[in-house]
Amino acid sequence: DTAVSQTPKYLVTQMGNDKSIKCEQNLGHDTMYWYKQDSKKFLKIMFSYNNKELIINETVPNRFSPKSPDKAHLNLHINSLELGDSAVYFCASSRGAPPRAFFGQGTRLTVV
Amino acid sequence: GENVEQHPSTLSVQEGDSAVIKCTYSDSASNYFPWYKQELGKRPQLIIDIRSNVGEKKDQRIAVTLNKTAKHFSLHITETQPEDSAVYFCAAGYRDDKIIFGKGTRLHILP
Repeated sequence: DTAVSQTPKYLVTQMGNDKSIKCEQNLGHDTMYWYKQDSKKFLKIMFSYNNKELIINETVPNRFSPKSPDKAHLNLHINSLELGDSAVYFCASSRGAPPRAFFGQGTRLTVV
Repeated sequence: GENVEQHPSTLSVQEGDSAVIKCTYSDSASNYFPWYKQELGKRPQLIIDIRSNVGEKKDQRIAVTLNKTAKHFSLHITETQPEDSAVYFCAAGYRDDKIIFGKGTRLHILP
């Protein structure tokens, strides 16, 4: 009964490949996010969706494409992976007012 | 722009002493300030938060203070314990429920 779950937990892939990370929340929240945490532990927002609608799209390369089939799911697809994409990617969700965000367990992506 | 500055980046305190982490934010429209704790290899977890209509909030050994005029907010941990060792992130909530994080403080509790 994990509140925010991501799969896979670990992902090792070669440069140039395309990969997806899935996220699901069972909290009934309306807003979902993707954050990237680099090797220095900085947490940077990438995207947010509210009720399947894209709300926030930070300056992220267009190789990254989020998709929200319904408000409980927000997946992240990455094309043409590069070495610099190696990081931990966290999905999160919040209800709003206030936006208390709950995080998934993270996906450690390693591009070789 | 939307920015959150956090200091210090690393903090070592003796077990039993207090720890203070300070943050500043850039947009006066921000009205929500959460704090997250991230243990090694784990997800960030919300430990306490404060809204802009409140100046201080306390939960057992943890307290947060907010100075809206100066755009400062702080986390205070008293009677620190070994399990308090972690990375702590402050954050500020902006419009559209956008949550911007500070760069984190690595807290070491020394025996």
